[in-house]
Amino acid sequence: DIQMTQSPSSLSASVGDRVTITCRASQSISSYVNWYQQKPGKAPQLLIYTASSLQSGVPSRFSGGGSGTDFTLTISSLQAEDFATYYCQQGYSSPPTFGQGTKLEIK
Amino acid sequence: EVQLVESGGGLVQPGGSLRLSCAASGFTISSYEMNWVRQAPGKGLEWVSYISSSGTTIYYADFVKGRFTISRDKAKNSLYLQMNSLRADDTAVYYCVREIRGYGDWGQGTLVTVSS
Repeated sequence: DIQMTQSPSSLSASVGDRVTITCRASQSISSYVNWYQQKPGKAPQLLIYTASSLQSGVPSRFSGGGSGTDFTLTISSLQAEDFATYYCQQGYSSPPTFGQGTKLEIK
Repeated sequence: EVQLVESGGGLVQPGGSLRLSCAASGFTISSYEMNWVRQAPGKGLEWVSYISSSGTTIYYADFVKGRFTISRDKAKNSLYLQMNSLRADDTAVYYCVREIRGYGDWGQGTLVTVSS
């Protein structure tokens, strides 16, 4: 199975900050990475698909990048509603696997 | 509007069975790849099972293989997960997920608790 390792596991930041979350795959997965946001008690929501494509309705302050084994999710200017847990997921091979999550908290 | 509504969760004893249902609206379930994804309390996301749009390809995570069965009913536009031989570590919220450019649409989830 392909392992997805996110860093950091948690992050404290302030409204207006630029934040980057990293996801590393245990082998090359081309651009088959998706990113999700999950708020407490809610289902995850797709933010970014195939590494860098913005899901419809997602604010443009979210962006994704990378290919091969290293990927990033960047929030250009944090808003209050962005404090949540973020997951990466690889769709390159079965079984699909998720990173362990990055909890973004208010500083 | 796309909606996925799960039901069937609850408290079950170890070794018991449950059948989860996912009623879809706003789209035809047999036209899309569908999945079950779970999340144990306070933990991360874990993929459980997949069924192709044609219904001919089915995958399971190793930890449920031989115990869980995914299926669908075109007439009811619903997805199912039959769960047998349940264990304490199957305790989780189970989400029904439509695969569209990634896991694009999620239900609200249904909680399964395996405990004596």
